[in-house]
Formats: sequence, structure tokens, C-alpha cells
Amino acid sequence: DQQVKQNSPSLSVQEGRISILNCDYTNSMFDYFLWYKKYPAEGPTFLISISSIKDKNEDGRFTVFLNKSAKHLSLHIVPSQPGDSAVYFCAARDVNTDKLIFGTGTRLQVFP
Amino acid sequence: EPEVTQTPSHQVTQMGQEVILRCVPISNHLYFYWYRQILGQKVEFLVSFYNNEISEKSEIFDDQFSVERPDGSNFTLKIRSTKLEDSAMYFCASSPWDRNEKLFFGSGTQLSVL
Repeated sequence: DQQVKQNSPSLSVQEGRISILNCDYTNSMFDYFLWYKKYPAEGPTFLISISSIKDKNEDGRFTVFLNKSAKHLSLHIVPSQPGDSAVYFCAARDVNTDKLIFGTGTRLQVFP
Repeated sequence: EPEVTQTPSHQVTQMGQEVILRCVPISNHLYFYWYRQILGQKVEFLVSFYNNEISEKSEIFDDQFSVERPDGSNFTLKIRSTKLEDSAMYFCASSPWDRNEKLFFGSGTQLSVL
């Protein structure tokens, strides 16, 4: 039962261009959505989040968009940098529980 | 910057053996979590812990699993009789307040059950 789906296991982008990572969800009870970044041999680190009452949140080079009707969110990174190369996890919080539901991750590679 | 620390970084064990994975959460945090990631799969919630008791657990967290906060700093996950399918990266996380989605994760313990 995959409530949070990241259908692209990998993405390769040239430095300076925009990276767009996508995430779909099925549970209407999710009230908060997050993106975590994970480097090898490290734990996930929080990147950016968005409440279900908003449709956009921006933090520097990172912007998250939420389309509730489509149950879709995306993370935009612009301009992309080689240091952004990592695995990006989409996660969602169920309003009724105390846990995050993660997607399977998208490996982003930013090449010079 | 304070961080969550986990030990060991790698643990190899024989099937049926007991393992204890250790975590030191950030000192002023009150909510503690264990997640795991089987190779190639998503990060999965196992259990959350607050005020010395489990606040929520997943279906994965069966009777073979237990958590404990034996003192003021450590938070442990015990697997009583490991199975092959317990092989995964186990992440500890903590947060300073309730329903804080911004969890702070440790770097994980890679458990290999042979």
C-alpha cells in the first residue's frame, strides 16, 4: 500500500538548470508534506515543507508546489548545483497519526 | 549543531540472535522515533516514543521489537530474535515537540542478518 509515490527513481540534470522532483499521494488525510534529502552514509535531513492549506512554499533555491486536487507535489531546485546530488524523499504526515509516510526516493545527479 | 548519534554504524548478526541498536537523541528533544529502510525500498515508520512509553507503532513493530529509554540520554531498539528480513538500515530520529514533522535523523545503523 504505497500512499506516497515517487515514480522516478532517478533524475539527471545539468548544473545551473532546474531540477523537478515529483511525488504523488493517495491519502486525503495528509495535512503536511515534506522533502528530505539524504546523502550516502547519512540520515535524511529536512529540506522544505508545505502545509495542505498552501499551494507553494519557497526557501532560497528550493520551492515546493502542492496540487491538492491532483494529490501531487513537486520540488523545484533552481539553479541546480553539484552539491544537490543526493536522494530526495517525499514524505507526508497523516493528520490522525504521529508518523511520516515516506516515498521510495528519487536519486538526483547534477553534473557540471 | 546538535545531532542524533547512532551506534554501531554496522551490525552483523546471525539469524535468531538478539540485537540492540543504540541512539542518543538531541538532548532537549522529547519525542523519539525509529524508522527503517530496506535496501531499495522506502523509509518505513516503526515506532514513536514519548514520556517513557510508546505513542504509536506500525504493523512491522511486532512482539520481536522493543524500545527503551534506559537513562536520560539513550534510546534503544531491541530485536529479540532477528530474521533475515530484518536486514535494513535503521534510523533513529528525534524532535523537540509533538507532531513535529521536522524530524532530526541519525546517520543510521546498517543491520545485516545472516
